[in-house]
Amino acid sequence: AQKVTQAQTEISVVEKEDVTLDCVYETRDTTYYLFWYKQPPSGELVFLIRRNSFDEQNEISGRYSWNFQKSTSSFNFTITASQVVDSAVYFCALKSNFGNEKLTFGTGTRLTIIP
Amino acid sequence: DTEVTQTPKHLVMGMTNKKSLKCEQHMGHRAMYWYKQKAKKPPELMFVYSYEKLSINESVPSRFSPECPNSSLLNLHLHALQPEDSALYLCASSPENSGVGGEQFFGPGTRLTVL
Repeated sequence: AQKVTQAQTEISVVEKEDVTLDCVYETRDTTYYLFWYKQPPSGELVFLIRRNSFDEQNEISGRYSWNFQKSTSSFNFTITASQVVDSAVYFCALKSNFGNEKLTFGTGTRLTIIP
Repeated sequence: DTEVTQTPKHLVMGMTNKKSLKCEQHMGHRAMYWYKQKAKKPPELMFVYSYEKLSINESVPSRFSPECPNSSLLNLHLHALQPEDSALYLCASSPENSGVGGEQFFGPGTRLTVL
């Protein structure tokens, strides 16, 4: 069975602070994919990143960076110099390379950036 | 065109009504999905269509009836719903098929209220 744990239910930081959202996953598959999605108050889930299990390189995109550590089954997401527009619910998700199309979502972390 | 559109944005219906939710994408994606999302919860997969054929039904009650008229369109027909069916209904599409980790692109959702 697959599982994604986002232990931080809610986080609040002051604007311009850095913040890290944690994601820990469980899977028996050797090949799998990890995702982060952002859901602002409007409701749409916005795709942020996909990482496959063979690629442990960390990635940076502007103020966003992701740290994938297979040894600890973690795929953490850091926002540098946070802005009010970053306020949203962030979901980490896992998908197997085998079987069906099902994404296993974590329970989400609600991030509030205080101006 | 890199977006998934959904209509209507909001829908209020009685328990005896019949209504339909519509989803459209013009990205050439061959997999399309319906999700249901309750407040403060992650999305829950309902149905997956792959190459216009229903490939996954997550034991959804028959009062929800999906339809994929062509590769760009996905409908969800609603009949005799219950108040507990009130939720945000999200449509998504993916460029890759079962077994490959294609990211899913989501529409803005239809916020459904059943009275």
